Amino acid sequence: GAVVSQHPSWVICKSGTSVKIECRSLDFQATTMFWYRQFPKQSLMLMATSNEGSKATYEQGVEKDKFLINHASLTLSTLTVTSAHPEDSSFYICSSPPTLRADTQYFGPGTRLTVL
Amino acid sequence: QKEVEQNSGPLSVPEGAIASLNCTYSDRVSQSFFWYRQYSGKSPELIMSIYSNGDKEDGRFTAQLNKASQYVSLLIRDSQPSDSATYLCAVNVGNTGKLIFGQGTTLQVKP
Repeated sequence: GAVVSQHPSWVICKSGTSVKIECRSLDFQATTMFWYRQFPKQSLMLMATSNEGSKATYEQGVEKDKFLINHASLTLSTLTVTSAHPEDSSFYICSSPPTLRADTQYFGPGTRLTVL
Repeated sequence: QKEVEQNSGPLSVPEGAIASLNCTYSDRVSQSFFWYRQYSGKSPELIMSIYSNGDKEDGRFTAQLNKASQYVSLLIRDSQPSDSATYLCAVNVGNTGKLIFGQGTTLQVKP
């Protein structure tokens, strides 16, 4: 099946620093990738849709200047959490449909971000 | 009103029993429905997808969809301790590819 990887799997940073999370599709071309955030004991909340070669679209309430998304190639999307604060500590997960018309999604293994 | 609702549980069943997980959704135009399993600290894993009214079976899992009632369920037969996890119901939003998730139901299968 389709494989999506994420790097790093976990990261600890100081408040005020920026953190970049990479999401890669390993065996298919991902024109679209989705970024989710999951706080403890809560469900996945969609943050933004990353589109290869164009600007990302953000869900209501998600600050686009704080969560920078770049999707420069068909296999890589990056999420940068800028000026991270403790409230940004969360589990960040990317996903992608394996084909253009697929409505299933394959999830990356997630990145645990802890901001001190 | 939440778009996708699930009982957070925990739902506790003995090993070998049938576990029944339920989900309701608010958007009548939704066409695609999914059940994901998530172990603690891991990302979701797709178990079942269902698109048409009725039942869909895959091994020990059966998904049931009733669009008129805006209801989708997952039955797990012969539950095993390894089935203990959080089960997330997800609904596709129109043709956007986006998934809206319920809050998840925690299932505990006791040996």
